[in-house]
Amino acid sequence: DAMVIQNPRYQVTQFGKPVTLSCSQTLNHNVMYWYQQKSSQAPKLLFHYYDKDFNNEADTPDNFQSRRPNTSFCFLDIRSPGLGDAAMYLCATGTGTAPYGYTFGSGTRLTVV
Amino acid sequence: AQKVTQAQTEISVVEKEDVTLDCVYETRDTTYYLFWYKQPPSGELVFLIRRNSFDEQNEISGRYSWNFQKSTSSFNFTITASQVVDSAVYFCALSETGANNLFFGTGTRLTVIP
Repeated sequence: DAMVIQNPRYQVTQFGKPVTLSCSQTLNHNVMYWYQQKSSQAPKLLFHYYDKDFNNEADTPDNFQSRRPNTSFCFLDIRSPGLGDAAMYLCATGTGTAPYGYTFGSGTRLTVV
Repeated sequence: AQKVTQAQTEISVVEKEDVTLDCVYETRDTTYYLFWYKQPPSGELVFLIRRNSFDEQNEISGRYSWNFQKSTSSFNFTITASQVVDSAVYFCALSETGANNLFFGTGTRLTVIP
């Protein structure tokens, strides 16, 4: 009964080769988030969509893009992955209004070789 | 600006001991939400609790309990009679009203030794 589903669970990509991570939700939440979590660090917000409105964090590299074609799906595109982009990528959904709730997917662990 | 501090980087306890994980936060908002998440080795973030800034009642759920004190800006988490399955990284997090961001502390790695 997973409500936020991320595919794939593990992704290996080559240095510089574009890669796309996907996230889908069955909660009909307005907001979808992408977090990056490097080894032994806290998750860090990359960007979020409030409905169709895209919100980029100021320090998110240009190498990262996102698409949300509909309410249920959100994609993270990494145009030219570098070794420093190896991380766990966590998708989450939220209501966007009080009481704020966040539901996380199981994450995609990205390895860059 | 918001800030969440988890001063304990790693804690090890022997099974059946009680353990408290500390969380101190900073925010200028009067309305905000505090969270605890568990992250086992598999990597997913498991929601444990949400508390809003107007509700200072402590909460108990089985072996878990939380102590929210606005006077000291703390939201501490206690596990009673710890078990090996409690071994994980635990994150405290803060959400400010309208910010649409869940801001995490750096986490505390708990190891429960059998």
